[in-house]
Amino acid sequence: QVQLVESGGGVVQPGKSLRLSCAASGFTFSRYGMHWVRQAPGKGLEWVAVIWYDGNNKYYADSVKGRFTISRDNSKNTLYLQMNSLRVEDTAVYYCARDALSGSGSPPADWGQGTPVTVSS
Amino acid sequence: EIVLTQSPGTLSLSPGERATLSCRASHSITSNFLAWYQQKPGQAPRLLIYGASSRATGIPDRFSGSGSGTDFTLTISRLEPEDFAVYYCQQYGNSPQTFGQGTKVEIE
Repeated sequence: QVQLVESGGGVVQPGKSLRLSCAASGFTFSRYGMHWVRQAPGKGLEWVAVIWYDGNNKYYADSVKGRFTISRDNSKNTLYLQMNSLRVEDTAVYYCARDALSGSGSPPADWGQGTPVTVSS
Repeated sequence: EIVLTQSPGTLSLSPGERATLSCRASHSITSNFLAWYQQKPGQAPRLLIYGASSRATGIPDRFSGSGSGTDFTLTISRLEPEDFAVYYCQQYGNSPQTFGQGTKVEIE
């Protein structure tokens, strides 16, 4: 079965950096696009970024463009989110999620349990 | 960026009743790439519908999606106790992808 396990969250000061990881198993990782989605405390879902199955295309929410970088290592079945210049408003639970269908052009279907990130001085 | 507006904000219904949730987009969504999710407290979201009307794997047929262009609907034909939750729509046809703000379906 599909398993996605996020790690790397924690408490960080504004302006600092953090890298999240998502270890995938139970499917052929290199065939699926992968997303990061976040949810601030008591708020709704916010899509953050997507990377295509082959890593050749990446897209970002306007709120993180230029500060966050999504990447993947298909040899390690791992997805990453490098977060730089963190702001208080980046505080959220960060979920990694797998596309519903292999290839590209489908929504997130399988989700990890999330890793919390708190940006505070 | 496509803005998705969901209505109503809260829907108060009883088990067995029909629920109709709306999602309106600020611009037409490419290829009707519109999804619906259910989220319960403390849990990750669960994909219900993709492509506006296709049910995801394992989703009961009391959940159905319809619509095209800018207006989409999620219908739950007869509410079961486990259906009381928050529902989000998401468009994935245009970058950046976006979510609606959510509709809470609560027990009346």
